[in-house]
Amino acid sequence: GQNIDQPTEMTATEGAIVQINCTYQTSGFNGLFWYQQHAGEAPTFLSYNVLDGLEEKGRFSSFLSRSKGYSYLLLKELQMKDSASYLCAAWDSNYQLIWGAGTKLIIKP
Amino acid sequence: ETGVTQTPRHLVMGMTNKKSLKCEQHLGHNAMYWYKQSAKKPLELMFVYNFKEQTENNSVPSRFSPECPNSSHLFLHLHTLQPEDSALYLCASSQNLAGGGGSDTQYFGPGTRLTVL
Repeated sequence: GQNIDQPTEMTATEGAIVQINCTYQTSGFNGLFWYQQHAGEAPTFLSYNVLDGLEEKGRFSSFLSRSKGYSYLLLKELQMKDSASYLCAAWDSNYQLIWGAGTKLIIKP
Repeated sequence: ETGVTQTPRHLVMGMTNKKSLKCEQHLGHNAMYWYKQSAKKPLELMFVYNFKEQTENNSVPSRFSPECPNSSHLFLHLHTLQPEDSALYLCASSQNLAGGGGSDTQYFGPGTRLTVL
């Protein structure tokens, strides 16, 4: 079956760096998404990776290794507002979007 | 900032009630989606519409009935629901159906929190 694995919950300190990992097992692969979802709000698009490597967008970066079926989201200079759930999702060969259950990130002062 | 709105934001209904969820997108997109989000579970795709035509029904029970009168509006009609249907129902839209790359990114509305008593 197809599956996305990511940690259920992580805790980090304001101002620090945190890396949220995501591993995927899909039938084929056509790219991977990261979304941020604050409690009670819409998931918002953060990044899309289809080629290996690191893509940086301000404080957030996303990395992909297709050979390892692995991605991570790197958040730098953490702020309290970064407390949210982070969802990983991958397109399989048929462009079906396979979702992870999300990682709840808790930021402490 | 998302151009996808959903109403109502919260809904409590009994098992014998009939209600409807509404979604509207202001992004000029052609594809719209309904998802169910339960606590600590991955998003479950329910229905997909492309240019008003349903292209996917993920074995959703008939007590959920979608309607897409045009590319900007999507409804989910609910009747005789069960308590296990309580969840966050998310609507999303994308420029096109997946297959063309990053432009097919899905943009979500804030969801309707549904509680079935």
